[in-house]
Amino acid sequence: KQEVTQIPAALSVPEGENLVLNCSFTDSAIYNLQWFRQDPGKGLTSLLLIQSSQREQTSGRLNASLDKSSGRSTLYIAASQPGDSATYLCAVQNGGSTLGRLYFGRGTQLTVWP
Amino acid sequence: AAGVIQSPRHLIKEKRETATLKCYPIPRHDTVYWYQQGPGQDPQFLISFYEKMQSDKGSIPDRFSAQQFSDYHSELNMSSLELGDSALYFCASSIIAATDTQYFGPGTRLTVL
Repeated sequence: KQEVTQIPAALSVPEGENLVLNCSFTDSAIYNLQWFRQDPGKGLTSLLLIQSSQREQTSGRLNASLDKSSGRSTLYIAASQPGDSATYLCAVQNGGSTLGRLYFGRGTQLTVWP
Repeated sequence: AAGVIQSPRHLIKEKRETATLKCYPIPRHDTVYWYQQGPGQDPQFLISFYEKMQSDKGSIPDRFSAQQFSDYHSELNMSSLELGDSALYFCASSIIAATDTQYFGPGTRLTVL
């Protein structure tokens, strides 16, 4: 069974810092990996999706990398802002019989203070 | 752009009652997924439908059932509710099964008293 782990569980930084969120997964036979943002009590907003054949994806101040063979992904946030405060979830899609379902990590709760 | 719609947004039920959650996917999306997120937990996959057929089933209790209708909307029916069923229930949709971005709805917060 796929297990996804995110480190750190929580992170508090001053505005303007560059930061890295880490995600690891146990089964490297993935189709893709997705990073989400979740505000308290709210839904999940997709930030970036990396296909298994890709190494990284960028959107604005966000950059996600994928090292499939080692089972790792990182989300890099440049020049953090208070509005970035949220929980960031990493999720993977496997192939095979469980094609489609997402396996989530517990998330990293990010606080960016002014 | 149209998003995934879920209704109701909040639901309060008593133990042993029944609840029905509805999901309206993004237009032209052919796949619907249901996830359950307990307090402080990561979302857990329940069930999915592709072109109105069940495509995958996760750790969904036997008390729960779901279906996708001809207009692609989906309903999650939950019977004999228990306190532990209190959670956020998310629906997500995608346009191509498995390999495309899943877009999530705002969720239905179910509270069982």
